[in-house]
Amino acid sequence: EVNLVESGGGLVQPGRSLRLSCAASGFTFGDYAMHWVRQVPGKGLEWVSGISWDSGDIVYADSVRGRFTLSADNARNCLYLQMDSLRPEDTALYYCVKDKGWDIATFDTWGQGTLVTVSS
Amino acid sequence: ETVMTQSPATLSVSPGETATLSCRASQSVGSNLAWFQQKPGQAPRLLMHASSTRATGVPARFSGSGSGTEFTLTISSLQSEDFAVYYCQQYDNWPPLTFGQGTKVEIK
Repeated sequence: EVNLVESGGGLVQPGRSLRLSCAASGFTFGDYAMHWVRQVPGKGLEWVSGISWDSGDIVYADSVRGRFTLSADNARNCLYLQMDSLRPEDTALYYCVKDKGWDIATFDTWGQGTLVTVSS
Repeated sequence: ETVMTQSPATLSVSPGETATLSCRASQSVGSNLAWFQQKPGQAPRLLMHASSTRATGVPARFSGSGSGTEFTLTISSLQSEDFAVYYCQQYDNWPPLTFGQGTKVEIK
């Protein structure tokens, strides 16, 4: 069974950094693209960043480009999102999501999310 | 950026009836369109990809259609567990991958 477990969320002041982690199991991690998608509670879904199976493509939403860095460790079956220069508008539930395939496309399996709150 | 627009925002339907949800893209996305279902307190769930291909385990009462810029998700004979928010998402023109704003299907 595919399982994605996010961690690393919490309360952080504006301008500070946070690193999210996603531990993956139940599938061959290195064979699939992976993503982070966020959702402000009660609002819609926003794609944040995605990485192809071989890390050849790493792409970002305009709202986070230059501040967030996505990486994957295939040996540890882990996905990471380094979030720097955080802003109040980054406050959301962050989901780790497995893609349907090896390239960036759509979202097959979702974790339960980790909440990030940016506030002074 | 490809903007996805869903209509209506809220759909009131009685159990057993059919719900028809629409999704429009600001430019052609071919058939690279997915639908997700989200229930309160839960993560989204993939229902449909490639416009009309049901994901594993999705009941046959869910069907998708369309290509280019106009897409439809039809839920036949609505069950109590189908009342939720539904999102469409395009994966043809990226970055960014983009979602519609969602359609809430509520009990009439």
